[in-house]
Amino acid sequence: AQSVTQLGSHVSVSEGALVLLRCNYSSSVPPYLFWYVQYPNQGLQLLLKYTSAATLVKGINGFEAEFKKSETSFHLTKPSAHMSDAAEYFCAVSDAFGSGKLIFGQGTTLQVKP
Amino acid sequence: DAGITQSPRHKVTETGTPVTLRCHQTENHRYMYWYRQDPGHGLRLIHYSYGVKDTDKGEVSDGYSVSRSKTEDFLLTLESATSSQTSVYFCAIRVDREPYNEQFFGPGTRLTVL
Repeated sequence: AQSVTQLGSHVSVSEGALVLLRCNYSSSVPPYLFWYVQYPNQGLQLLLKYTSAATLVKGINGFEAEFKKSETSFHLTKPSAHMSDAAEYFCAVSDAFGSGKLIFGQGTTLQVKP
Repeated sequence: DAGITQSPRHKVTETGTPVTLRCHQTENHRYMYWYRQDPGHGLRLIHYSYGVKDTDKGEVSDGYSVSRSKTEDFLLTLESATSSQTSVYFCAIRVDREPYNEQFFGPGTRLTVL
């Protein structure tokens, strides 16, 4: 069975500071990994995805994530936080083959302070 | 924009009444999914479909049924709504662009069961 754990339900950073959102996964098969962002009262938007190509994945809005198989991690980072980054972030895992259904972490709310 | 609409966008209903939520896509993708979002749980899969009349259960399917009589429409039905089904419901479609299987989400339906 697959699972995802996001460490920290709330993360607060100052504008301009490094953003680090943690995600650890469990999967018995080669995984696809995703980060989604949800702004208030909106749907989910795909930030970036890992699909067994490069382990360092770059996404939209300056975010990137590194797949580390030995640590079963897929942490999301951004060098310099912007006020507009304040949102809820979800890490998700799916099978590389099959139904493609996503297993989500519980989410991390990012607060950016001026 | 992956051409996904959900209706209604908001609904308030009473315990014991039937409710049907509709997801409509404009691009004829084979896979469609229904998730529910609750605080502290992220998103959890209710049911999914891999073609017309082909559906399967997700992790939280009790109390829900689905139907897909046309490629473009995927309906979620709560036969007898309960307060525990108060949630935000998201429909998603899977875009099969090898080697990816990205999911794109609709805007969501906020359901309140009194």
